[in-house]
Amino acid sequence: GENVEQHPSTLSVQEGDSAVIKCTYSDSASNYFPWYKQELGKRPQLIIDIRSNVGEKKDQRIAVTLNKTAKHFSLHITETQPEDSAVYFCAARPRGGAGGTSYGKLTFGQGTILTVHP
Amino acid sequence: DSGVTQTPKHLITATGQRVTLRCSPRSGDLSVYWYQQSLDQGLQFLIQYYNGEERAKGNILERFSAQQFPDLHSELNLSSLELGDSALYFCASSVMDSYNEQFFGPGTRLTVL
Repeated sequence: GENVEQHPSTLSVQEGDSAVIKCTYSDSASNYFPWYKQELGKRPQLIIDIRSNVGEKKDQRIAVTLNKTAKHFSLHITETQPEDSAVYFCAARPRGGAGGTSYGKLTFGQGTILTVHP
Repeated sequence: DSGVTQTPKHLITATGQRVTLRCSPRSGDLSVYWYQQSLDQGLQFLIQYYNGEERAKGNILERFSAQQFPDLHSELNLSSLELGDSALYFCASSVMDSYNEQFFGPGTRLTVL
């Protein structure tokens, strides 16, 4: 099955700096890669996602890049703010298909605790 | 607010007991997913239903079962509870099953004493 590795496990930056979180996946059939932000005690919230036919996607201060050959993808946050402090999870989802058992299953990385110091 | 609702918010019970967690997906979403989040295991996929039928299974224990009803709400049943079952249980929903975003509910925090 799919295995997703996420690094670093903790990341501490100063307000205004950039933050980068990296993930690698094992299943070349994976074709959808979302990123979730989870604040303490709250639900994971989708912040950005990328599909395998795209190499990069940007939404204001957040961007995600995907390297299918190397099977890794990264989250980039620029001009970080204290409210960006949270746990960030990457995930991968394989392409479903007739007789397939994976369909919408997301496999998550272990998470990165991001702390942005004012 | 994602539009996914879960009840109850908190559940405290004893070992050996059985509990039922309930999830209502966003209006229009046909697919429901259950995830378990614990400190040592992270977010783990348990099971997925699509329009009433089981679609995919993860590392769900035999003591756990789920179903999706005709009105599309879903229930996760956990029986013979053990201390290690204490975790946050999230439900998520999506319009269909492939190539769609999953939106998470607020979760149910289960504590087994």
